[in-house]
Amino acid sequence: RKEVEQDPGPFNVPEGATVAFNCTYSNSASQSFFWYRQDCRKEPKLLMSVYSSGNEDGRFTAQLNRASQYISLLIRDSKLSDSATYLCVVSLTGGGNKLTFGTGTQLKVEL
Amino acid sequence: ETGVTQSPTHLIKTRGQQVTLRCSSQSGHNTVSWYQQALGQGPQFIFQYYREEENGRGNFPPRFSGLQFPNYSSELNVNALELDDSALYLCASSSRGQGADTGELFFGEGSRLTVL
Repeated sequence: RKEVEQDPGPFNVPEGATVAFNCTYSNSASQSFFWYRQDCRKEPKLLMSVYSSGNEDGRFTAQLNRASQYISLLIRDSKLSDSATYLCVVSLTGGGNKLTFGTGTQLKVEL
Repeated sequence: ETGVTQSPTHLIKTRGQQVTLRCSSQSGHNTVSWYQQALGQGPQFIFQYYREEENGRGNFPPRFSGLQFPNYSSELNVNALELDDSALYLCASSSRGQGADTGELFFGEGSRLTVL
Protein backbone atom coordinates (compact mmCIF):
# COMPACT_ATOMS: atom_id res chain seq x y z
CA ARG A 1 0.00 0.00 0.00
CA LYS A 2 1.37 3.43 -0.92
CA GLU A 3 1.92 5.87 1.93
CA VAL A 4 -0.07 8.58 0.16
CA GLU A 5 -2.75 7.64 -2.34
CA GLN A 6 -4.44 9.86 -4.88
CA ASP A 7 -6.67 9.33 -7.90
CA PRO A 8 -4.29 10.07 -10.81
CA GLY A 9 -7.06 11.49 -13.00
CA PRO A 10 -7.04 13.24 -15.37
CA PHE A 11 -9.92 15.40 -14.28
CA ASN A 12 -11.17 17.31 -17.32
CA VAL A 13 -13.46 20.16 -16.25
CA PRO A 14 -14.89 23.25 -17.95
CA GLU A 15 -13.75 26.68 -16.93
CA GLY A 16 -15.73 27.90 -13.95
CA ALA A 17 -16.39 24.44 -12.55
CA THR A 18 -15.75 23.33 -9.00
CA VAL A 19 -13.46 20.33 -8.66
CA ALA A 20 -12.43 18.31 -5.62
CA PHE A 21 -9.38 16.12 -5.12
CA ASN A 22 -9.03 13.54 -2.39
CA CYS A 23 -6.06 11.89 -0.80
CA THR A 24 -5.52 9.27 1.89
CA TYR A 25 -2.38 8.58 3.90
CA SER A 26 -1.37 5.42 5.69
CA ASN A 27 0.95 6.60 8.46
CA SER A 28 -1.15 7.72 11.40
CA ALA A 29 1.92 9.44 12.86
CA SER A 30 1.85 12.00 10.04
CA GLN A 31 1.47 15.47 11.46
CA SER A 32 1.91 17.97 8.65
CA PHE A 33 -0.04 18.07 5.41
CA PHE A 34 0.28 20.05 2.22
CA TRP A 35 -0.82 20.41 -1.35
CA TYR A 36 1.84 21.08 -3.95
CA ARG A 37 1.22 22.04 -7.56
CA GLN A 38 3.38 20.83 -10.45
CA ASP A 39 3.04 22.25 -13.93
CA CYS A 40 3.98 20.07 -16.89
CA ARG A 41 7.73 19.44 -16.95
CA LYS A 42 8.32 21.92 -14.12
CA GLU A 43 9.24 21.60 -10.47
CA PRO A 44 6.66 21.19 -7.67
CA LYS A 45 5.67 24.33 -5.76
CA LEU A 46 3.82 24.65 -2.46
CA LEU A 47 0.17 25.52 -3.05
CA MET A 48 -1.01 25.50 0.55
CA SER A 49 -0.63 23.85 3.92
CA VAL A 50 -3.57 21.91 5.33
CA TYR A 51 -4.67 22.53 8.90
CA SER A 52 -6.93 20.46 11.12
CA SER A 53 -9.58 23.17 11.17
CA GLY A 54 -9.55 23.46 7.40
CA ASN A 55 -8.25 26.48 5.58
CA GLU A 56 -8.98 28.60 2.56
CA ASP A 57 -6.82 30.61 0.21
CA GLY A 58 -8.90 32.44 -2.36
CA ARG A 59 -10.57 29.85 -4.59
CA PHE A 60 -8.78 26.97 -2.87
CA THR A 61 -10.03 25.17 0.24
CA ALA A 62 -8.18 22.38 2.00
CA GLN A 63 -9.63 19.99 4.58
CA LEU A 64 -8.06 17.39 6.84
CA ASN A 65 -9.76 14.48 8.59
CA ARG A 66 -7.22 12.88 10.92
CA ALA A 67 -9.58 10.12 12.05
CA SER A 68 -10.05 8.94 8.47
CA GLN A 69 -6.52 9.93 7.41
CA TYR A 70 -8.03 11.85 4.54
CA ILE A 71 -7.10 15.16 2.93
CA SER A 72 -9.02 17.10 0.33
CA LEU A 73 -8.57 20.09 -1.94
CA LEU A 74 -11.47 22.02 -3.44
CA ILE A 75 -10.97 24.43 -6.32
CA ARG A 76 -13.85 26.78 -7.08
CA ASP A 77 -14.38 28.73 -10.29
CA SER A 78 -11.63 26.83 -12.13
CA LYS A 79 -9.37 28.82 -14.44
CA LEU A 80 -7.42 27.60 -17.45
CA SER A 81 -4.30 28.43 -15.46
CA ASP A 82 -5.27 25.90 -12.79
CA SER A 83 -4.38 23.09 -15.22
CA ALA A 84 -1.57 21.20 -13.50
CA THR A 85 -0.86 18.15 -11.38
CA TYR A 86 -1.81 18.50 -7.72
CA LEU A 87 0.36 16.55 -5.30
CA CYS A 88 -0.85 15.54 -1.84
CA VAL A 89 2.04 15.63 0.63
CA VAL A 90 2.52 14.52 4.23
CA SER A 91 5.32 14.85 6.74
CA LEU A 92 6.07 13.45 10.19
CA THR A 93 6.52 15.88 13.05
CA GLY A 94 10.19 16.66 13.32
CA GLY A 95 10.59 15.38 9.80
CA GLY A 96 12.53 18.46 8.97
CA ASN A 97 10.89 18.88 5.63
CA LYS A 98 11.24 15.22 4.62
CA LEU A 99 8.09 14.99 2.61
CA THR A 100 6.14 12.02 1.29
CA PHE A 101 4.36 12.78 -1.97
CA GLY A 102 1.38 11.12 -3.56
CA THR A 103 1.45 10.32 -7.26
CA GLY A 104 -0.51 13.46 -8.05
CA THR A 105 -3.86 14.18 -9.65
CA GLN A 106 -3.85 15.77 -13.07
CA LEU A 107 -6.33 18.57 -13.70
CA LYS A 108 -7.19 19.91 -17.15
CA VAL A 109 -9.43 22.96 -17.27
CA GLU A 110 -11.00 23.48 -20.69
CA LEU A 111 -12.87 26.31 -22.41
CA GLU B 1 12.20 31.34 -9.75
CA THR B 2 13.21 29.61 -6.53
CA GLY B 3 16.91 30.41 -6.68
CA VAL B 4 17.75 26.70 -6.63
CA THR B 5 19.83 25.74 -9.63
CA GLN B 6 20.63 22.26 -10.87
CA SER B 7 23.00 20.92 -13.48
CA PRO B 8 23.00 19.35 -15.91
CA THR B 9 19.38 19.78 -17.01
CA HIS B 10 19.41 16.69 -19.22
CA LEU B 11 21.79 13.80 -19.60
CA ILE B 12 21.91 10.35 -21.13
CA LYS B 13 23.93 7.51 -19.67
CA THR B 14 24.21 3.78 -20.25
CA ARG B 15 23.69 0.97 -17.78
CA GLY B 16 26.59 0.52 -15.39
CA GLN B 17 27.87 4.05 -15.72
CA GLN B 18 28.09 6.59 -12.93
CA VAL B 19 26.52 10.04 -12.78
CA THR B 20 26.97 13.16 -10.65
CA LEU B 21 24.23 15.75 -10.39
CA ARG B 22 24.78 19.17 -8.83
CA CYS B 23 22.63 21.60 -6.93
CA SER B 24 23.07 25.12 -5.59
CA SER B 25 20.64 25.93 -2.82
CA GLN B 26 18.71 29.13 -2.37
CA SER B 27 20.60 31.87 -0.57
CA GLY B 28 20.19 31.54 3.18
CA HIS B 29 19.10 27.90 3.07
CA ASN B 30 21.23 25.35 4.92
CA THR B 31 19.44 22.12 4.06
CA VAL B 32 19.33 20.28 0.76
CA SER B 33 17.09 17.35 -0.08
CA TRP B 34 17.12 15.15 -3.15
CA TYR B 35 14.06 13.55 -4.68
CA GLN B 36 13.59 11.14 -7.57
CA GLN B 37 10.51 11.56 -9.74
CA ALA B 38 9.77 8.77 -12.20
CA LEU B 39 7.36 9.43 -15.04
CA GLY B 40 3.78 9.60 -13.79
CA GLN B 41 4.82 9.38 -10.15
CA GLY B 42 5.25 11.82 -7.31
CA PRO B 43 8.72 12.75 -6.07
CA GLN B 44 10.32 10.16 -3.77
CA PHE B 45 12.69 11.22 -0.99
CA ILE B 46 16.27 10.02 -1.54
CA PHE B 47 18.13 11.80 1.28
CA GLN B 48 18.70 15.11 2.97
CA TYR B 49 21.88 16.95 3.91
CA TYR B 50 22.27 19.40 6.75
CA ARG B 51 25.59 20.86 7.86
CA GLU B 52 27.41 18.62 5.41
CA GLU B 53 26.02 15.42 6.93
CA GLU B 54 23.31 13.08 5.77
CA ASN B 55 20.20 13.76 7.80
CA GLY B 56 17.77 11.05 6.83
CA ARG B 57 17.51 8.69 3.90
CA GLY B 58 14.66 7.18 1.96
CA ASN B 59 14.39 3.68 0.55
CA PHE B 60 17.26 3.92 -1.91
CA PRO B 61 20.27 1.59 -2.20
CA PRO B 62 23.80 2.63 -1.18
CA ARG B 63 24.78 3.26 -4.79
CA PHE B 64 22.89 6.53 -4.32
CA SER B 65 25.20 8.80 -2.36
CA GLY B 66 25.59 12.49 -1.79
CA LEU B 67 27.63 15.34 -0.46
CA GLN B 68 26.98 18.78 0.89
CA PHE B 69 29.66 21.45 0.75
CA PRO B 70 30.39 24.29 3.18
CA ASN B 71 28.51 26.71 0.91
CA TYR B 72 25.46 24.38 1.23
CA SER B 73 25.58 23.26 -2.39
CA SER B 74 25.20 19.55 -2.93
CA GLU B 75 25.91 16.64 -5.23
CA LEU B 76 24.01 13.44 -5.87
CA ASN B 77 26.03 10.51 -7.14
CA VAL B 78 24.57 7.35 -8.57
CA ASN B 79 26.83 4.40 -9.31
CA ALA B 80 26.15 1.34 -11.46
CA LEU B 81 23.23 2.95 -13.23
CA GLU B 82 20.17 0.81 -13.95
CA LEU B 83 17.40 1.38 -16.47
CA ASP B 84 14.97 2.13 -13.61
CA ASP B 85 17.14 5.05 -12.53
CA SER B 86 15.74 7.00 -15.48
CA ALA B 87 13.86 9.85 -13.84
CA LEU B 88 13.79 13.52 -13.00
CA TYR B 89 16.07 14.23 -10.06
CA LEU B 90 14.93 17.18 -8.02
CA CYS B 91 16.97 19.12 -5.54
CA ALA B 92 15.14 21.13 -2.90
CA SER B 93 16.47 23.60 -0.39
CA SER B 94 15.05 24.72 2.92
CA SER B 95 16.23 26.22 6.14
CA ARG B 96 16.29 24.28 9.39
CA GLY B 97 15.84 26.24 12.54
CA GLN B 98 13.33 28.52 10.86
CA GLY B 99 10.03 26.66 11.00
CA ALA B 100 11.70 23.45 9.98
CA ASP B 101 8.49 21.65 9.33
CA THR B 102 6.73 24.32 7.33
CA GLY B 103 6.68 21.89 4.45
CA GLU B 104 7.83 24.50 2.01
CA LEU B 105 10.64 23.13 -0.04
CA PHE B 106 12.05 25.22 -2.84
CA PHE B 107 12.75 22.95 -5.77
CA GLY B 108 15.10 23.37 -8.66
CA GLU B 109 13.91 22.54 -12.16
CA GLY B 110 15.57 19.15 -11.96
CA SER B 111 18.03 17.03 -13.88
CA ARG B 112 16.39 14.63 -16.28
CA LEU B 113 18.42 11.42 -16.47
CA THR B 114 17.87 8.80 -19.15
CA VAL B 115 19.62 5.46 -18.75
CA LEU B 116 19.89 3.35 -21.91
